[in-house]
Amino acid sequence: GDSVTQMEGPVTLSEEAFLTINCTYTATGYPSLFWYVQYPGEGLQLLLKATKADDKGSNKGFEATYRKETTSFHLEKGSVQVSDSAVYFCALLFYNQGGKLIFGQGTELSVKP
Amino acid sequence: EPEVTQTPSHQVTQMGQEVILRCVPISNHLYFYWYRQILGQKVEFLVSFYNNEISEKSEIFDDQFSVERPDGSNFTLKIRSTKLEDSAMYFCASSQVVSRGYSNQPQHFGDGTRLSIL
Repeated sequence: GDSVTQMEGPVTLSEEAFLTINCTYTATGYPSLFWYVQYPGEGLQLLLKATKADDKGSNKGFEATYRKETTSFHLEKGSVQVSDSAVYFCALLFYNQGGKLIFGQGTELSVKP
Repeated sequence: EPEVTQTPSHQVTQMGQEVILRCVPISNHLYFYWYRQILGQKVEFLVSFYNNEISEKSEIFDDQFSVERPDGSNFTLKIRSTKLEDSAMYFCASSQVVSRGYSNQPQHFGDGTRLSIL
């Protein structure tokens, strides 16, 4: 079935380091792809999205490119801040399946000053 | 910015009791969802709701669960005869409809209700 796999966490980085969180998916069609972020004690917030192959989503310095050939949607940021510490979730969505989001297991990021 | 609100933030209930979790979706959204996250596990889809009926549900969403839009603003999840394994964070979400009742728009989530079953 359709699924999303993320790299294991926690990921611990120093401030201003480069971030990559890997996300790969298995899907029988052409889903839309999303990254959500969950700050401590809060709900899920949409970080960025891409709806078709080669689309690049970007927001707040984060980027991810929809790679159909490698079925990947890796999240990157050039210089992380302490305030980026959170759990990051990769997700896919088929609009003709009642809008069901399928999430990866989440990757915890901890950024140290 | 409009947001999805959920109440209560924390609900403690005895096993076997009924519980109702409440959500107020964003006002111009027509697609509504419930998800749950058991501690340390993935966020799991429960149900989607559009035009006053269930659009899709997961195998988790059995006869113990029901959803309702009792008025023009609230969207509720009822769990009858709660079990210990129902303890989780429950998230409500909403999204805009694009066309033909489908939605591939980003879903906006509430902060969740932490349900603890004793």
